[in-house]
Formats: sequence, C-alpha cells, structure tokens
Amino acid sequence: SAVISQKPSRDICQRGTSLTIQCQVDSQVTMMFWYRQQPGQSLTLIATANQGSEATYESGFVIDKFPISRPNLTFSTLTVSNMSPEDSSIYLCSVDSINEQFFGPGTRLTVL
Amino acid sequence: GQQLNQSPQSMFIQEGEDVSMNCTSSSIFNTWLWYKQDPGEGPVLLIALYKAGELTSNGRLTAQFGITRKDSFLNISASIPSDVGIYFCAGPPTSGTYKYIFGTGTRLKVLA
Repeated sequence: SAVISQKPSRDICQRGTSLTIQCQVDSQVTMMFWYRQQPGQSLTLIATANQGSEATYESGFVIDKFPISRPNLTFSTLTVSNMSPEDSSIYLCSVDSINEQFFGPGTRLTVL
Repeated sequence: GQQLNQSPQSMFIQEGEDVSMNCTSSSIFNTWLWYKQDPGEGPVLLIALYKAGELTSNGRLTAQFGITRKDSFLNISASIPSDVGIYFCAGPPTSGTYKYIFGTGTRLKVLA
C-alpha cells in the first residue's frame, strides 16, 4: 500500500480567502483522487487528478472553486477558493493501487 | 445518483460482543471495499472483495460479497475498545472505473 501525507493537517481560514492543500505519495501513481467529507457525513469524490492532463470533476464541483494541480506522479494540490463556512470539511486525497484505494490522513478545514 | 446505504447507522455494544453491519446498493457492484475511519484520520482499508459469494477475513473481521452483488456484510468478532470508529463500505458503481462511492457509514461505539 502507498504512504500518503497531506499538508496542512488542519487550518482555520477566513471567508473569501483560499487554501491550497498538498498531497505527497511515496511512490509513483497514475491516478490521484480528492474527496470531501463534510461534518458527520460520508466521503464525496471531488475530482480525479491525472498527471499531464486536466483534472476530471464530479457533478457539483467546478475547477474555478477547486483548482487542482498534478505536476508529477507523486504530488498533487487542491485549492479551495473563495471560501465560505459551507466549505468547512475534511479534504482527503487518495490513490488507487490495483483496485484498492488508499487515503491520506486528511486536512481539516474550518472557515469562519 | 447511486447510493450505498449502510445499517445500522450507529451502534453501542459491549466489549467482547460480535458486531454485524451491512451495505446495500440499488445496482450491481463488482468490487466491495470496507474501510474504518478513526477520529481525525483518513479511512483505512480493512478488506477488499472481488467476487460474488466471496468470504474474506482479516483477523477478527470477516466480510462477505453478497450473492446478488448488491450487498456486502462486515462482521467483527469479540469487539475491543479500539474497534470504535466509523465503518464505510465503498465500491466503483461502474465496472472498470476507479471512481468509488462511499456508503453512509456505521458508527461503532464499544462499551468497556
């Protein structure tokens, strides 16, 4: 299984600002995924990030709000733009390895 | 959209008791994954199932891939306090895709 780290682990932000979350994997992977977990809820896929191409967003998520970068096979960033309190969630990155997905520890975001 | 419904939503059990939970879908799945999420952490993969009828164990945990391919079950035997957490089922709703949807979760609390 892959070892995945995320930075920051948590942050408290003011509305209207943006936060960039980093995800680092200890091995090269083709596909990385970004999920959102709202308080007390399950995980919802935001987008799939492939190296060398634009991220693919799920219904209800747009690039202007959640721009993603994937500069190489071990790293990705997710930016939460123009934040509002409704963006308060845990944001998780994951990677797929032979039909099994492994997750980072998550970034807990609170927007005031 | 597709949903994975888990039951029970939450449960309190005594230490040493066995626990059963299930996950149902309105459509067929070809893979079922079971995860556990501790507070402040990302989900950790417990068991992966790939074939209808498959029964797989991981220590005190046993999971089954339902014959109809629309459900899966997770059993925990002789529960201990560290079993506390949220258990999620997950799977790709479309064969050959890496996009997973997650169940609604079962919150387990163990009373010592």
